[in-house]
Amino acid sequence: GAGVSQSPSNKVTEKGKDVELRCDPISGHTALYWYRQSLGQGLEFLIYFQGNSAPDKSGLPSDRFSAERTGGSVSTLTIQRTQQEDSAVYLCASSLGGHTNEKLFFGSGTQLSVL
Amino acid sequence: AQSVSQHNHHVILSEAASLELGCNYSYGGTVNLFWYVQYPGQHLQLLLKYFSGDPLVKGIKGFEAEFIKSKFSFNLRKPSVQWSDTAEYFCAVGGNNDMRFGAGTRLTVKP
Repeated sequence: GAGVSQSPSNKVTEKGKDVELRCDPISGHTALYWYRQSLGQGLEFLIYFQGNSAPDKSGLPSDRFSAERTGGSVSTLTIQRTQQEDSAVYLCASSLGGHTNEKLFFGSGTQLSVL
Repeated sequence: AQSVSQHNHHVILSEAASLELGCNYSYGGTVNLFWYVQYPGQHLQLLLKYFSGDPLVKGIKGFEAEFIKSKFSFNLRKPSVQWSDTAEYFCAVGGNNDMRFGAGTRLTVKP
């Protein structure tokens, strides 16, 4: 695709419900990142996928958070039993080869609001 | 993994003032350094990057940054800011495996 696509753009959910956030990276990009952007917290790293390697999950804040990347392309971030503190913008980014000297291309994010 | 500190949370300047935003990182290996900018209502986009060579790098819109290895710093500068520079600025460090960002600095430029 022309850019990184994220859906939905906005999600309002009730506390305790599960949510799935989708990221469609730029075609051919092997690396995919998820970040969380909260007021005053900046960009918090969540998880990183690179090709067929095991993902770096070191940023996931709790076991309620998980992510998959199917077929080396689309990724889904799942948050189970959502809490109010999960409210944030969830950003996805991709890069071509996954080398850390490459620039990241960001999606427009999913604004998650947990009531 | 690497960590990134941005000390200024919110900077307010008048047009034509000079800008310097601090960025320090913690990582023992070879790093790749970036500044990203997020204009209101827009995606994050790359402003400039350093991965080797001249430690003074120039980016878009008159921005530059200097890598000082001994200080683990990569400060962003612009000699004369414009109202259109109002945005949030993020420093990022690419280490061995992934990319980590600082908390961001919100810049407000008053006309």
